[in-house]
Formats: sequence, C-alpha cells, structure tokens
Amino acid sequence: GIQVEQSPPDLILQEGANSTLRCNFSDSVNNLQWFHQNPWGQLINLFYIPSGTKQNGRLSATTVATERYSLLYISSSQTTDSGVYFCAVDPSGGGADGLTFGKGTHLIIQP
Amino acid sequence: DGGITQSPKYLFRKEGQNVTLSCEQNLNHDAMYWYRQDPGQGLRLIYYSQIVNDFQKGDIAEGYSVSREKKESFPLTVTSAQKNPTAFYLCASSTRGTDSYEQYFGPGTRLTVT
Repeated sequence: GIQVEQSPPDLILQEGANSTLRCNFSDSVNNLQWFHQNPWGQLINLFYIPSGTKQNGRLSATTVATERYSLLYISSSQTTDSGVYFCAVDPSGGGADGLTFGKGTHLIIQP
Repeated sequence: DGGITQSPKYLFRKEGQNVTLSCEQNLNHDAMYWYRQDPGQGLRLIYYSQIVNDFQKGDIAEGYSVSREKKESFPLTVTSAQKNPTAFYLCASSTRGTDSYEQYFGPGTRLTVT
C-alpha cells in the first residue's frame, strides 16, 4: 500500500516563530488532507489539497503532486497551535475510500 | 447544526464482551469510515462504506464488524476476537461522486477493555 512519511516527528518552537511541516507519499493520490489533532483528540480539518496551494489565515499548504510531497506552513506561531499535525492521503482513483495517515508531527509552541 | 456524533465518549468493558460504538451524521454524506488510533500513532482504517447496505474492509478489519442500514448511521462492533481492543476510535464521513472527497471526523470514543 501507499506509504506516508511526515517530518519532523517533533518540533519545539517559541511563540512567533514560523514552521514548515513536510509530508512525502509514495504514489499518486486522489485526496490529501492536513489535520490538527487537539488535546481532546478531535481532528480538525486544515486543508483538502490534492494539488496546488491554499491559504487560510496564518496557515498555508502546498502539494506538488508530480513530486509526491506536501508542505504545511505555520506563520507567527501561537501556543494554541500546539498539538499533532497529520497528513493523510487516499490513493484510489475512485475516491471516497479510506485515508492512509502519516505518524504525525508533534508541535509544541512555548510562550 | 450539521456534524458527526459519536457515543459514548468513554467506554469500559471486560475482556470477552462484544461492544458497539455509535456513529451518526446529518451531513447527508454517502460515505462513512471507522479508524482506530493507538497512543502516539496515526489513524488506521478499519472499515468503510460508500453506500447503504455495502461496506469494505480496511487495513485492520479483523475482530471488528459493521453494518450500514441507514445513510446516517454506521455502527462499529468490537468483538471478543479483537486481540487489542483498547484504543481511540474515530468515525468520519465524506461525499462521493463529486470533485471533493474531503473527510470530516467525529469527536471519537475511547474504549478501555480490562
């Protein structure tokens, strides 16, 4: 099956810093999503981005499908940005199949 | 208020007992999914269903069963055959047959089996 690798596994930053999280995947994908898991376990949708670039406030994401990677940018980090960030992909051509998740990047923003 | 609900939030069972986790959505989504998360890990797919009365095994279906009798509901049964049932279980849903297959998740159920 498809492999999803996220880096770095852990990241500790000071408030106000910028960060880049990376997701590499081993095959072409029909769906790529970025999630933030909060301390209560809820998965919050950040981006649906199988290709191209999107921005939402301080967050932006870019997926280069031909080179099989996606990047999540967080600017001017706040302590509320702390948590685990997951990249997940669906390789199937038909869509609406299950996602394969990476192991996540654990981000800690210190005041 | 549209969304996905899972109940209960916490569930405790004795080893050897079957237990059923509830998942309901009012987003009018055709597809629904069950995932399992172990501590410090990503999510893994258990089962998914693209339409009513049809479902497919995911990567770790052994020891689990599902049904899809209504579009809004996709309950998951953790059977006594599941060797390590203690985990965090998340349900999701999405549209199908459109340009976007974005999945949305419920709040999850934490199951502890002793």
